[in-house]
Amino acid sequence: EPEVTQTPSHQVTQMGQEVILRCVPISNHLYFYWYRQILGQKVEFLVSFYNNEISEKSEIFDDQFSVERPDGSNFTLKIRSTKLEDSAMYFCASSQQQGGEAFFGQGTRLTVV
Amino acid sequence: GEDVEQSLFLSVREGDSSVINCTYTDSSSTYLYWYKQEPGAGLQLLTYIFSNMDMKQDQRLTVLLNKKDKHLSLRIADTQTGDSAIYFCAESSLGFKTIFGAGTRLFVKA
Repeated sequence: EPEVTQTPSHQVTQMGQEVILRCVPISNHLYFYWYRQILGQKVEFLVSFYNNEISEKSEIFDDQFSVERPDGSNFTLKIRSTKLEDSAMYFCASSQQQGGEAFFGQGTRLTVV
Repeated sequence: GEDVEQSLFLSVREGDSSVINCTYTDSSSTYLYWYKQEPGAGLQLLTYIFSNMDMKQDQRLTVLLNKKDKHLSLRIADTQTGDSAIYFCAESSLGFKTIFGAGTRLFVKA
């Protein structure tokens, strides 16, 4: 069964460093998303991406964040200068159609120290 | 704005049925989902229902939707200890994002 894969599963980084979280969405999907879940809290929407551009973003997704689809298969989330409060589980998701059934990856646990 | 509310905890005995409830505010919701998250793991899509349906059954899972009251429930029949997890209710409309509830932690006592 096709699935969304994320790497790495766990990343530890020092405050102020840049991190790139990687995702391979399901191959025939057109809509891509990043969500995050701070420990013990709700899953929060960060950004959606379609047709090589951001289609919607939340207040959390400020200038420190960027997304990219560098080739036909990968979808990345970059955090330019990490802060302690960026520590969270980051989930990538993809869907075939707008607002349709979204499939989530297993997540990358980011720990900023 | 859109919001999804769920109770935080539910405790049941093994073999009993579990019912997890959820309410949402977005009347334009198109898809309503139930996700399961085990400790330290990702989000597993359990089931979903289109907003034009009242009920969906999938093995031990039954989803009921009351669109008028914006109320969604997930019933797990014959609950097992392996069902212990956090269950997230979520909705999406014709927009791009999925809105999640805070999750209901299900405890199953042997």
